[in-house]
Amino acid sequence: GQQLNQSPQSMFIQEGEDVSMNCTSSSIFNTWLWYKQDPGEGPVLLIALYKAGELTSNGRLTAQFGITRKDSFLNISASIPSDVGIYFCALAETSGSRLTFGEGTQLTVNP
Amino acid sequence: EPEVTQTPSHQVTQMGQEVILRCVPISNHLYFYWYRQILGQKVEFLVSFYNNEISEKSEIFDDQFSVERPDGSNFTLKIRSTKLEDSAMYFCASSEARGVRGTDTQYFGPGTRLTVL
Repeated sequence: GQQLNQSPQSMFIQEGEDVSMNCTSSSIFNTWLWYKQDPGEGPVLLIALYKAGELTSNGRLTAQFGITRKDSFLNISASIPSDVGIYFCALAETSGSRLTFGEGTQLTVNP
Repeated sequence: EPEVTQTPSHQVTQMGQEVILRCVPISNHLYFYWYRQILGQKVEFLVSFYNNEISEKSEIFDDQFSVERPDGSNFTLKIRSTKLEDSAMYFCASSEARGVRGTDTQYFGPGTRLTVL
């Protein structure tokens, strides 16, 4: 099966700092998604990317779909305490099909 | 804003017992999914369901699992004879469509924590 690697596993940052996380896959995919999961909750979609090279923002969040279609990054600017949580990248072979999730990046923001 | 709901929030059962996890997808959605997340691990796909039949399932979804849409609003996951390793968070998700950008987003419920003793 495809390999999906997400890094870093965890990050500890100060409030106001920017943060970046990324995912790489062993295969080409057509849809990259970024979800956030708060403790005891289900994943919530942050950004969806459908085209190679696509750069999309959602408030302080920016994500890009790599040109090779094998990678994506998520940036959070000017972090705040409520950014704390686990961020997952997820792939779909076609939009709406089964999602394959990365291992997650645990983000801790110190006030 | 419409949301996916799941009941119960926490289910404790004895090994070998049957459990049914319930989900109410968003009302105009046509595609339904179950995922699970073992504590501290990533979210894993179990099964997708459309038009009253399974459209895709993973290797995790073996014969002890089944899904059903018993009426127009509920979507259930049944585990016939639970094992210790079935302990996990189970998430239901739904999407309006597939393959149509903007309507294919999978919205997740809050999950049911299943504990098998």
